[in-house]
Amino acid sequence: SQTIHQWPATLVQPVGSPLSLECTVEGTSNPNLYWYRQAAGRGLQLLFYSVGIGQISSEVPQNLSASRPQDRQFILSSKKLLLSDSGFYLCAWGSPNQPQHFGDGTRLSIL
Amino acid sequence: GENVGLHLPTLSVQEGDNSIINCAYSNSASDYFIWYKQESGKGPQFIIDIRSNMDKRQGQRVTVLLNKTVKHLSLQIAATQPGDSAVYFCAENLGGISGGYNKLIFGAGTRLAVHP
Repeated sequence: SQTIHQWPATLVQPVGSPLSLECTVEGTSNPNLYWYRQAAGRGLQLLFYSVGIGQISSEVPQNLSASRPQDRQFILSSKKLLLSDSGFYLCAWGSPNQPQHFGDGTRLSIL
Repeated sequence: GENVGLHLPTLSVQEGDNSIINCAYSNSASDYFIWYKQESGKGPQFIIDIRSNMDKRQGQRVTVLLNKTVKHLSLQIAATQPGDSAVYFCAENLGGISGGYNKLIFGAGTRLAVHP
């Protein structure tokens, strides 16, 4: 069966520090991969998606970037974090016209 | 964990009652709809989906109804249990596949509180 892993579960970072969140998927090949952000009490906002290695599309302009160095690895990064980057970050995988399946997220707090 | 549901509308039900959670979607071209359940501090969990060529689909204790005329989606949970307490999100797929991926737009969510 397919599984998706995100880490870390919780992260506290100072403003201006770099960020790297990692997501890996097991049990499937060539999945579509997604990064979402969820503000407290809100729905999910799509940040990035990828249909293959090295292929990244951004949905909203922001301080973050994404990379897909391997088929089942998706990384969310920032060179310098802003206070507004705080939130709950979720990785998901899916196939076209099928449900997306989510990891358990990373709660990021910027101080 | 993340305090999901801080500002969300809340549906309170008694254990054993049936629950109905409603969702209005925005795009008449959307062809695929999904309901997710999210517990505090966790990622959304798939519950049930429905395609636009159907108006009803049933799962285990859950039923999804789709009314394309008024762009309305509902999730019915039978015999609601304390373990059903969570935030529920609907999501719509915007009209087919673009570039090989499907773009989901999520609703704001509804918090379901089940009381014993």
